[in-house]
Amino acid sequence: QKEVEQNSGPLSVPEGAIASLNCTYSDRVSQSFFWYRQYSGKSPELIMSIYSNGDKEDGRFTAQLNKASQYVSLLIRDSQPSDSATYLCAVTLFNNNDMRFGAGTRLTVKP
Amino acid sequence: EPEVTQTPSHQVTQMGQEVILRCVPISNHLYFYWYRQILGQKVEFLVSFYNNEISEKSEIFDDQFSVERPDGSNFTLKIRSTKLEDSAMYFCASMVGRSQETQYFGPGTRLLVL
Repeated sequence: QKEVEQNSGPLSVPEGAIASLNCTYSDRVSQSFFWYRQYSGKSPELIMSIYSNGDKEDGRFTAQLNKASQYVSLLIRDSQPSDSATYLCAVTLFNNNDMRFGAGTRLTVKP
Repeated sequence: EPEVTQTPSHQVTQMGQEVILRCVPISNHLYFYWYRQILGQKVEFLVSFYNNEISEKSEIFDDQFSVERPDGSNFTLKIRSTKLEDSAMYFCASMVGRSQETQYFGPGTRLLVL
């Protein structure tokens, strides 16, 4: 059973549009949720973390968490070509801090 | 800004050889991790390390693998007898503590086993 699932994409949006990335997780005791961005050949770079239900905004990024439905999403407003990357959803379980990653969604923002 | 560093950036080795991948975590961090990413696949947890011992390990982290913190700054991953399927990008990460659960990743070591 997959622990963290994401649509692999590719997701293509025009510059200036909103990109919406989704993630579901299987373990109900999951505690902390993260979105990382990964450019090809590079290491994951933290975009957002979210721990409680609701929305969390940071600049052009908004993370949304719904623990009852076991999903977490990331919205990117005013998408830029530089946002083109693979976005990784990651989850840690209660009392653990080893992260489990989804396979990532590849986002392309077209100028 | 402090960052996690890893050496070497690339390593090519022959099957059956031992390799040691090195990491220098951020200096005030207490939790250390190794992950791997096979080309085109997801990032996979290998092991976490705290207070000089392994706290969690995945099913991937078998007897071929070991970790060590030989001094106050380095954190190493040793693969005793490399296999072709060990070819991957290996990422080290560190975290300050449970009060702030963000893991910061190093740039990775690309390991190629021939």
